[in-house]
Amino acid sequence: DQQVKQNSPSLSVQEGRISILNCDYTNSMFDYFLWYKKYPAEGPTFLISISSIKDKNEDGRFTVFLNKSAKHLSLHIVPSQPGDSAVYFCAASVTGNTPLVFGKGTRLSVIA
Amino acid sequence: DGGITQSPKYLFRKEGQNVTLSCEQNLNHDAMYWYRQDPGQGLRLIYYSQIVNDFQKGDIAEGYSVSREKKESFPLTVTSAQKNPTAFYLCASSIGLKGLAGGRVTGELFFGEGSRLTVL
Repeated sequence: DQQVKQNSPSLSVQEGRISILNCDYTNSMFDYFLWYKKYPAEGPTFLISISSIKDKNEDGRFTVFLNKSAKHLSLHIVPSQPGDSAVYFCAASVTGNTPLVFGKGTRLSVIA
Repeated sequence: DGGITQSPKYLFRKEGQNVTLSCEQNLNHDAMYWYRQDPGQGLRLIYYSQIVNDFQKGDIAEGYSVSREKKESFPLTVTSAQKNPTAFYLCASSIGLKGLAGGRVTGELFFGEGSRLTVL
């Protein structure tokens, strides 16, 4: 049973426009959510996180929104740049010490 | 520089052979993890360790073994019992149980560069 779902395997966006990546989860006990970015043949790198006590967190061009009632979070990238082209993983944990549960990823392509 | 080092980056193995992937970290993290990535499957947890001399199975532990004799090291052995060993393997670490003094343990993972294993 997949607890973290990224239903869009891929997304293409024009440079300068907004990229919106979505993530749904089923475990209502999750209280911490993270986004990771991964280039081919490299390890994922941490991008941004949000705890369940917030509904929004911003870091430069990246904003994560959390809708607890819908068990849904989204990552907004504005403006999108070609260097943002990568696979983005959504991850969640029940407490700070439990292993992260990852979604299957969404491949973002930013077209110049 | 602090970080996580995985070796080898590429490894080829014949069917029936065991192989060990190395993972070393100098971040002074208590917790270490092994994930496997397959196309379209995301990252799946194999084993994790919250403290030296202790480890737990993840979602897909069958055919794998680990040890945690030192805080800095968490090697993964892919045994001949693993039916589909060809994959990209990722080691990660996190602050773990102690966390930051007075702060929340965020669970953020720091990943190595990965090891690609191909079974011929």
